[in-house]
Amino acid sequence: SAVISQKPSRDICQRGTSLTIQCQVDSQVTMMFWYRQQPGQSLTLIATANQGSEATYESGFVIDKFPISRPNLTFSTLTVSNMSPEDSSIYLCSALMVNTEAFFGQGTRLTVV
Amino acid sequence: DAKTTQPNSMESNEEEPVHLPCNHSTISGTDYIHWYRQLPSQGPEYVIHGLTSNVNNRMASLAIAEDRKSSTLILHRATLRDAAVYYCPEGTSYGKLTFGQGTILTVHP
Repeated sequence: SAVISQKPSRDICQRGTSLTIQCQVDSQVTMMFWYRQQPGQSLTLIATANQGSEATYESGFVIDKFPISRPNLTFSTLTVSNMSPEDSSIYLCSALMVNTEAFFGQGTRLTVV
Repeated sequence: DAKTTQPNSMESNEEEPVHLPCNHSTISGTDYIHWYRQLPSQGPEYVIHGLTSNVNNRMASLAIAEDRKSSTLILHRATLRDAAVYYCPEGTSYGKLTFGQGTILTVHP
């Protein structure tokens, strides 16, 4: 199994600013993903974080709004840029090794005011 | 992307079995069927997954229909700690999961 730590666990931000969320895994993993969970809703995949290259974004999500980095096999960041109240959500990091189940972090609860 | 469909909510009594259904009407031939659950203020927790055959682990059993268009998560004896939102995402072999709305399970003492 893998333990995933996300920082910060929660934040309140002013509109127009940016927040970078960190995801640290305690072991080397093959794949890392970022999800968004809007209030009272299910999880939606934002992108696959690729090591050493540009992330692969899902429909409706763009790099300018959600830049993602993954410099090595255990660490990734998601930035929420130029925030608006509609970006208030829980952001979750997920990771897995080959032929294992996906593990999730506890999430970052973001409120934009 | 295909999304699964589940009942919005279900209720059970403690120590009774619970059968949580999920429809996978547009699942591809290579996608796995997963089950996760999420407690308040926590990330989803893995429960079980399978491709075609029924699966058992220490937490639950997974029954997959022969045509793979539906699956059922079986909790053999529900406890109060099993109260959560249960999701049945479909997923690729490399971990990309597509979530539906989930079922809120309430367990009564």
